[in-house]
Amino acid sequence: AQSVAQPEDQVNVAEGNPLTVKCTYSVSGNPYLFWYVQYPNRGLQFLLKYITGDNLVKGSYGFEAEFNKSQTSFHLKKPSALVSDSALYFCAVRFREGNNRLAFGKGNQVVVIP
Amino acid sequence: NAGVTQTPKFQVLKTGQSMTLQCAQDMNHEYMSWYRQDPGMGLRLIHYSVGAGITDQGEVPNGYNVSRSTTEDFPLRLLSAAPSQTSVYFCASSPPLWTGGVNEQFFGPGTRLTVL
Repeated sequence: AQSVAQPEDQVNVAEGNPLTVKCTYSVSGNPYLFWYVQYPNRGLQFLLKYITGDNLVKGSYGFEAEFNKSQTSFHLKKPSALVSDSALYFCAVRFREGNNRLAFGKGNQVVVIP
Repeated sequence: NAGVTQTPKFQVLKTGQSMTLQCAQDMNHEYMSWYRQDPGMGLRLIHYSVGAGITDQGEVPNGYNVSRSTTEDFPLRLLSAAPSQTSVYFCASSPPLWTGGVNEQFFGPGTRLTVL
């Protein structure tokens, strides 16, 4: 069954430092992977997705993610974190049946310290 | 476009009461879904629909009903509310599957439900 794991509950990073949020996946076949962000009291917003091709995917707000097939990982990265990046981040994998179902990880709280 | 809208934003129910959470989208999206978000558990799929007249169960469907009579609307019904259904509920939609590709989902702002 498709699933994702986000091993850390919270990630603390100083403003201006690199930010990494980890995600590993378990799927049969080639994965379709997504990152979403949730700001307080808001719905989820799409950041980026991996379908095929280049392992480095660029998305919104300066975020990027690196797909690593051998390590079954899809870590989210940002070279220089901003205080406004403090939010809840979710990794998700799409089911393969073609009906667009997503399985979400439990989420990572990111706290960027001024 | 208004995108995905949900009403109400907040709701308090007593155990045993029923209610309907409304979800609408104006983007002509075929796929719509309902999730619940609980601390430390991420988002869990309740029900989904791949088009008008077609619905199916997700991970946690018990206690919830859905229908899809139009492309735009996808209401979620709680038949007899229980405290375990206290959660934040999100509706999401995505573009028509026949367009091909792998499309992201668009989320509504959520409904915060408390069952006493």
